[in-house]
This record gives sequence, C-alpha cells and structure tokens, in this order.
Amino acid sequence: SAVISQKPSRDICQRGTSLTIQCQVDSQVTMMFWYRQQPGQSLTLIATANQGSEATYESGFVIDKFPISRPNLTFSTLTVSNMSPEDSSIYLCSVEPGWLAVNQETQYFGPGTRLLVL
Amino acid sequence: GQNIDQPTEMTATEGAIVQINCTYQTSGFNGLFWYQQHAGEAPTFLSYNVLDGLEEKGRFSSFLSRSKGYSYLLLKELQMKDSASYLCAPKGTYKYIFGTGTRLKVLA
Repeated sequence: SAVISQKPSRDICQRGTSLTIQCQVDSQVTMMFWYRQQPGQSLTLIATANQGSEATYESGFVIDKFPISRPNLTFSTLTVSNMSPEDSSIYLCSVEPGWLAVNQETQYFGPGTRLLVL
Repeated sequence: GQNIDQPTEMTATEGAIVQINCTYQTSGFNGLFWYQQHAGEAPTFLSYNVLDGLEEKGRFSSFLSRSKGYSYLLLKELQMKDSASYLCAPKGTYKYIFGTGTRLKVLA
C-alpha cells in the first residue's frame, strides 16, 4: 500500500489566517483526495486533486476558501484560507493509486492534520 | 440519491464474532470498501469487494450483494484492539461515499 505523510500533523491557528497542509506519497498515484472530518462525524470530501488539471470541488466547498495544488503525481497541498473556528477539524489526504499500482481502486489515507482555529 | 445505512453502535465480547451490516445506494458502483478507524486516527483499509460474494482476510471477512445494495463485515475472534469505528464506503462513479460508521466496543 502507499505510504502517505502529512505536514503539519497538528496546528493551532488564529482566526483570519491561512494554513497550507502538505501531502506526500512514496509512490506515484493517479488520484488524490482531500477530506475533512469533524469529531463524531463522517468523512466529508472537499475536493479531488488531479495532476495536470484543476481540482474538482464538492458542493459547499470553493476554490477561494480551499485552494489545492497538485504539481506532480506524489504531492498535493490544501490551503485553508481566512480561517474561522468552524474550520477546526481533522483534514485528511487520501490517494488512489489507479493504473499505476496493483491495488489500483483502493483508497489509502494519510495520518491527518488536526487543526484548531481560535 | 446516495446514502449509507449502518448501525451506529455495537457491543461484543472478546473472542466472539460480530457482523456489521451496511446497506447503500450510489450513483454508479465501482466497489465497496471497509475501513477501520480508531478514535483520533485516520481510517485504515480493511477490505474491498467489487464482485458478489465473500472475501476473507485473516480474522476479517467482507460480503457483497450488488443487487441488494448490501454488504457486511465479519470480525472473528474479537480482540480488545478491535474497538474502533468501522466505515462502509461504496465507491460511486466518481467518488467514495462515507457514512458515520459503526462504533464497535469490545468488552473483556
């Protein structure tokens, strides 16, 4: 399975600031996803990041608030902009290896970034 | 529409067998995944079914019936470390659908 790392693992931020979360995979993958999970809640897909094209955002999430980069097949960033306390959550990067791997349809998750906005 | 139905909580005894059921509706279908998530941690992949039938991986087995929109995860020889949330996640045409999962408590 793919090994995924995220930075930072946790952060405490002030209202109105922005935080960029990095996701690094140890092998090339076709699809990368960004999720948010609030305590006791299900995983909510923010967007799908595709290398070489713009991210696809889910309903309720916009590029101005959550800009995403995907410069290559092993790396992506998610920025949480102009943060408010409602953005306090765990942010998870996940990957689907796709045609580049044996378990091409399986989604694997990074360890997550725990964000607290004051 | 797209939705998932799983029991919210289940309790079982160490050494026992537990079955967690999941019914789902998706737009398109590209497989069904089960994940384990311990409190405060990321989900970890357990199993994947794309065809009808039973897939076995050690103490864990997963079953799928596509015509019924139904799956279950079977956990055998329960251990205390199996206390976690179990997420049933069908994959639709473009994305995975996650519910709130089933919180399993294993008692000594």
